[in-house]
Amino acid sequence: LAKTTQPISMDSYEGQEVNITCSHNNIATNDYITWYQQFPSQGPRFIIQGYKTKVTNEVASLFIPADRKSSTLSLPRVSLSDTAVYYCLVGANNAGNNRKLIWGLGTSLAVNP
Amino acid sequence: DTEVTQTPKHLVMGMTNKKSLKCEQHMGHRAMYWYKQKAKKPPELMFVYSYEKLSINESVPSRFSPECPNSSLLNLHLHALQPEDSALYLCASSPTGGATNEKLFFGSGTQLSVL
Repeated sequence: LAKTTQPISMDSYEGQEVNITCSHNNIATNDYITWYQQFPSQGPRFIIQGYKTKVTNEVASLFIPADRKSSTLSLPRVSLSDTAVYYCLVGANNAGNNRKLIWGLGTSLAVNP
Repeated sequence: DTEVTQTPKHLVMGMTNKKSLKCEQHMGHRAMYWYKQKAKKPPELMFVYSYEKLSINESVPSRFSPECPNSSLLNLHLHALQPEDSALYLCASSPTGGATNEKLFFGSGTQLSVL
């Protein structure tokens, strides 16, 4: 099973760029890398997904090196409202070939004024 | 409509009670999920329904009983729970459930306390 490792917590200031790196050494050929954001007492919200190289959308960028053993979520110019937990996920097989996502433990990002 | 609606938002129940959690989506998604989340932990998958059939049961105790009456509705029936079952219960949906790269849409969850 693919397993992800990410920092437990990070601190930043408003207006800065934040980069959160996730390690997934055992990622399978068919697995995608997905990031979710979660605010307290809410469900996670999809941020971005990629397979290789770089993906950018209106809220973030995702950088994936050629070996795909890690990925970096980049949040440009963070604001106080970006304070949340960020989860890195990869796809995995479990018993019986039913595929499921493996969630990382999450990175708690605190954005300070 | 890109919302997944869960009711109730909060639930307190005794260990002998029977209660149900409800989840609804109108995005035309054919896969629905129940997750359990303890404080400061990632969500843990409990059940997956795909095309209204139970496709994954992550060895969940029988005191949790899922039901999918139709493609828009998902219930979780609770009976004889233990205090350690207190958690945030999250419902999610995705288009088909056939691929792990499908985007999951989560509800806001039901915060359950078992006394």
